[in-house]
Amino acid sequence: GEDVEQSLFLSVREGDSSVINCTYTDSSSTYLYWYKQEPGAGLQLLTYIFSNMDMKQDQRLTVLLNKKDKHLSLRIADTQTGDSAIYFCAERTLGGGADGLTFGKGTHLIIQP
Amino acid sequence: GAGVSQTPSNKVTEKGKYVELRCDPISGHTALYWYRQSLGQGPEFLIYFQGTGAADDSGLPNDRFFAVRPEGSVSTLKIQRTERGDSAVYLCASSSRPGPYEQYFGPGTRLTVT
Repeated sequence: GEDVEQSLFLSVREGDSSVINCTYTDSSSTYLYWYKQEPGAGLQLLTYIFSNMDMKQDQRLTVLLNKKDKHLSLRIADTQTGDSAIYFCAERTLGGGADGLTFGKGTHLIIQP
Repeated sequence: GAGVSQTPSNKVTEKGKYVELRCDPISGHTALYWYRQSLGQGPEFLIYFQGTGAADDSGLPNDRFFAVRPEGSVSTLKIQRTERGDSAVYLCASSSRPGPYEQYFGPGTRLTVT
């Protein structure tokens, strides 16, 4: 079955880089996503990557995908207080499975001043 | 509309009662998804609509849960004989087309069963 694992907490100092890690088990995962959830707000898609890519960069965000190890990471450069949120890794497999996304439990990003 | 809207934002009900949760997707979006998020967990897929039909309901936990989308726009998630374990935030998302395209999430309905 599908399973997505993330560490529950990450604490970084303001201005440093944050690296949030995720592992998944479905070898046929085709699309992998990072969502951000702020208190009282809905889920916001930050970025996504196709499984035929190794890296994707979008402004302060860099996504790295290691297909062999089924490991996905999200790097946030120059972390700001506004980056404080829960970050969810999600995967989706096309064909033969549920059409929804499978989410991890989320990583709470805590920013220290 | 500007975004996905869900009503009510909060719902408190007694064990055994029936509840309906409403989702208004972004105008023109044909794909609609329901998820459930329990405390400390990530969202869990429940059901997916493409147009009026439920294309995938494999995530519904049991037959107390049912969802409809009669005109291919607004969707209602219905829960019969609610149990305390049904307490969660119910999220709705819509997408402009089926497939791995961006799903826009609503703010959710927080359901509390007492």
